[in-house]
Amino acid sequence: AQSVTQLGSHVSVSEGALVLLRCNYSSSVPPYLFWYVQYPNQGLQLLLKYTTGATLVKGINGFEAEFKKSETSFHLTKPSAHMSDAAEYFCAVSFTGFQKLVFGTGTRLLVSP
Amino acid sequence: NAGVTQTPKFQVLKTGQSMTLQCAQDMNHNSMYWYRQDPGMGLRLIYYSASEGTTDKGEVPNGYNVSRLNKREFSLRLESAAPSQTSVYFCASSGGTSANEKLFFGSGTQLSVL
Repeated sequence: AQSVTQLGSHVSVSEGALVLLRCNYSSSVPPYLFWYVQYPNQGLQLLLKYTTGATLVKGINGFEAEFKKSETSFHLTKPSAHMSDAAEYFCAVSFTGFQKLVFGTGTRLLVSP
Repeated sequence: NAGVTQTPKFQVLKTGQSMTLQCAQDMNHNSMYWYRQDPGMGLRLIYYSASEGTTDKGEVPNGYNVSRLNKREFSLRLESAAPSQTSVYFCASSGGTSANEKLFFGSGTQLSVL
């Protein structure tokens, strides 16, 4: 069965520091990979997605992620954290066929001054 | 731009009561979804509708029913609420059914069942 694992339910960084949120997937077929962000009291919104082609994907708000097939990973990074990045981040995967996302358990990013 | 609108935002029920969560989208999307979000479990799909007139079960459908009233609206009904259904419920929509489609989410309904 396909699944998504996010390492670390909470990640704390200082403003200006590198952000790294980890995501690994399990799949027997080529996946489509997504990162969604949820700000407090809001719904989820898409940060970026990988479908095919270039393995380094750039998203909104300076975030990017790299698809590494050999490591079955899709880690999310941002060079310099901002206070406004504090939110919960969800990695998700889907597969060819109907659009039914499988979400990870989420990682809450805390940014301190 | 409204996007996906959910009502109500908050609801408290007693065990055994029924209620319907409403969802409407104004983006002319074909597909709509209901998810529940629980701490430490991410989002889990309850039901989805690939197009007007069709509905299908997701990962956790027990205790729920849905109605795709028209292309815009997709409601979720709890016939006899249980404490295990305490959760945050999200409605989402997408333009098509391709696996790489972006989902658009509503702002959620926080439901407590006592």
